[in-house]
Amino acid sequence: GAVVSQHPSWVICKSGTSVKIECRSLDFQATTMFWYRQFPKQSLMLMATSNEGSKATYEQGVEKDKFLINHASLTLSTLTVTSAHPEDSSFYICSALAGQYQETQYFGPGTRLLVL
Amino acid sequence: GQQLNQSPQSMFIQEGEDVSMNCTSSSIFNTWLWYKQDPGEGPVLLIALYKAGELTSNGRLTAQFGITRKDSFLNISASIPSDVGIYFCAGHNTDKLIFGTGTRLQVFP
Repeated sequence: GAVVSQHPSWVICKSGTSVKIECRSLDFQATTMFWYRQFPKQSLMLMATSNEGSKATYEQGVEKDKFLINHASLTLSTLTVTSAHPEDSSFYICSALAGQYQETQYFGPGTRLLVL
Repeated sequence: GQQLNQSPQSMFIQEGEDVSMNCTSSSIFNTWLWYKQDPGEGPVLLIALYKAGELTSNGRLTAQFGITRKDSFLNISASIPSDVGIYFCAGHNTDKLIFGTGTRLQVFP
């Protein structure tokens, strides 16, 4: 199957700082990637859809100025959490569309963010 | 956001037993998928279902796409300790995945 990587795996930062998370498709090109957030013992909630070369589409309730998404190439999307606060602490997971008909999402291993 | 309802929420079973879990929605989906998530990891695709009524197997796993396109079930036969994890169903329409609430599976030797 298609392989998606994320970097870093873990990040601990002080409140008020910005954190960048990378999502890469390793063996395929992905015009569409997705960013999810998962709080402990909860399901994955879609934050935004990232399209290569265009602006991301954000889900209702997700602040686009706080969660900056850049999809500058066919293998890389980045999520920047700006001015992070403790309530932003969560597990951030990206996925990329792959398959003959772009019908399947393959997920990265996730990035755990802890804001102190 | 919208979620699919999964049941049961948690299961505690003995190694070797069969497991069944299901997923229901008020909306129709064109594709149903089942994922497994280990602690601290991203979800891994187990089975994808593309047609209403479709029954698909992947080793000890079997899943069916409901005729109404509003539900799906996943069966695991002869469970083993490495089956432990959280199982999520997901419905797919257009370009978005909507995830279920998850079923947490514990397998005891």
